[in-house]
Formats: sequence, structure tokens, C-alpha cells
Amino acid sequence: ETGVTQTPRHLVMGMTNKKSLKCEQHLGHNAMYWYKQSAKKPLELMFVYNFKEQTENNSVPSRFSPECPNSSHLFLHLHTLQPEDSALYLCASSQTPLPAGNTIYFGEGSWLTVV
Amino acid sequence: GESVGLHLPTLSVQEGDNSIINCAYSNSASDYFIWYKQESGKGPQFIIDIRSNMDKRQGQRVTVLLNKTVKHLSLQIAATQPGDSAVYFCAAWGGYSSASKIIFGSGTRLSIRP
Repeated sequence: ETGVTQTPRHLVMGMTNKKSLKCEQHLGHNAMYWYKQSAKKPLELMFVYNFKEQTENNSVPSRFSPECPNSSHLFLHLHTLQPEDSALYLCASSQTPLPAGNTIYFGEGSWLTVV
Repeated sequence: GESVGLHLPTLSVQEGDNSIINCAYSNSASDYFIWYKQESGKGPQFIIDIRSNMDKRQGQRVTVLLNKTVKHLSLQIAATQPGDSAVYFCAAWGGYSSASKIIFGSGTRLSIRP
């Protein structure tokens, strides 16, 4: 139990589908993140939220749309994805957004397959 | 650009032996480092961290060593057990206030021989 819960754990969607990934953190943190993890590649930061306000968008295509209704919940809305978007999507949280020194805690991830 | 790399993509160790996983970083301004363990099908799990004002930090069966001169850090796992099988990767903070300045390595897969 990491304190960061992601659902669903596995998702298969067609390129014309609309789906959402959900993340909830029980750690009392104020910052939440979406990362993408592809095979044999380092983690790629997608979005950062601080006190439910988006503070970073790392040049992510608009087919990925994040939503943060409060400091404990984070969504990633998916629409018209491409097969190359298939990856493990990780939600994470930290006490505050950086500067350095705040450990980031990850959820178990949502495995996304786009067909 | 900045990078964080691990020296070996895979490492095989005899059960009971010590494991040493290495990581090199390019930004001399990096001041905080974390090691993560990622088991198959799971998210990264925090193992241990170290700040740049330290050379060594110990946890339960793990030790992280930081050599700022050569921009290198290592994770040592004592008496490696089957449960230690996972991908290990380091993360380095570039001394910035932006989360996008965290650099993650691509990982070393540790396998344990019985």
C-alpha cells in the first residue's frame, strides 16, 4: 500500500474511445503528478498540480487532458489516442511541489493499451 | 542535455551476496537523489534518498554512496534476497524548483540466482 491508488490498473481502448484514469492519494500531500513510463525508457513527466492548480505541462499532446478537482484526486482524460501512447501511466504525489527535497511517492500505475 | 544513467541495464547476483547498482549524473548542480525499486507490474517504490551534503546514508540492508567529485552514486544491497528482484533506478534533482528538472535513470534490472 503506497498511499497512492490508481484505477483502472489495466485499460484497453480503441483509438476513437474516450476513457479516464483516476488517481487518489491518502497521504495528505498537496502536489500530484502524472508520469508516462514506456518500455526501457526513463520516466517522462506529463503534468504537475499544486493545490489543484496545474503548474506544469511538459508539452503533452492535447489528447491527454488532466483534471484535478482537489488536492487528493487527479484524473487523466484520454481521447483519440494513438498506439504509441500505450504505456504505463503513473500517478504520484509529494508533500509540496519542488524545490528539491520532497520525496515523490508513486501509485501502482495504469497499464494502457491502445488498439 | 542533462542525463542520469545507470552503468548496467542488467545485473545478476547470487542470493546472499551483496549487490551494487551504479548511477551517474551529468548536472553538477544536482543536490538531491533518490533510489527507487520497481517490481514487475508495480509502480516505483521509494527506497532511500541522499542530499548532496552527505556522502553516505544507510537504511535497512541498503546503503547509498554519493561521490560528487565524479558525479556518481551507488546503491548497495546487503545479503541480496529473491524479493530484491526488480528494476532499480535513480532520480536526480537539478537544484531547480521545477518538477520537470527531475531526471530519472532508465533502470538496472537486478536478478537473483539461487
